[in-house]
Amino acid sequence: DAGVIQSPRHEVTEMGQEVTLRCKPISGHDYLFWYRQTMMRGLELLIYFNNNVPIDDSGMPEDRFSAKMPNASFSTLKIQPSEPRDSAVYFCASTILGESYTFGSGTRLTVV
Amino acid sequence: SQQGEEDPQALSIQEGENATMNCSYKTSINNLQWYRQNSGRGLVHLILIRSNEREKHSGRLRVTLDTSKKSSSLLITASRAADTASYFCATDPRALTFGSGTRLQVQP
Repeated sequence: DAGVIQSPRHEVTEMGQEVTLRCKPISGHDYLFWYRQTMMRGLELLIYFNNNVPIDDSGMPEDRFSAKMPNASFSTLKIQPSEPRDSAVYFCASTILGESYTFGSGTRLTVV
Repeated sequence: SQQGEEDPQALSIQEGENATMNCSYKTSINNLQWYRQNSGRGLVHLILIRSNEREKHSGRLRVTLDTSKKSSSLLITASRAADTASYFCATDPRALTFGSGTRLQVQP
């Protein structure tokens, strides 16, 4: 398995633009997580899914953020409109219950 | 809120020395996990210890868990320059929450 695949690796966008981050989890994993990492706040859990259903989105900072998982092999995290304070590295991870997580390489988002 | 917190925040040692990092957490857990992150990279799983285990080994890594004190430690023996990274502990019971990490610098 190629692991958790995230795209793009880097994204630079202007304030106000829509940004879509993508994630392909490991086949067979039924949990998918989106995290955000910044120097100031560390690693924050944004949302997670079980069997494609959102379980907890309490970490999503604002209504500007939304996440979907239309099927077991794909998830998106969308920011609309983007703001400079959204600049961070966004990680996707997947797992099966009670086991370790496999993280993707992350998307480094810069909003100017 | 962060469940696990690592201590120290930063650690600098010489190659060949042992490195010990500690983690404290607040609530009941099913398991505790340690991850490593090299600069600019994703997190890599190191070791998982379940709540009914007290110690676990993996190569040069040794993890202990004391559920009565809600604490864990990660020991890296005979450190190498390649061990330079940030180390995080993470706890459940629902989605993993991560501490702020320990930045380990191993001087060659």
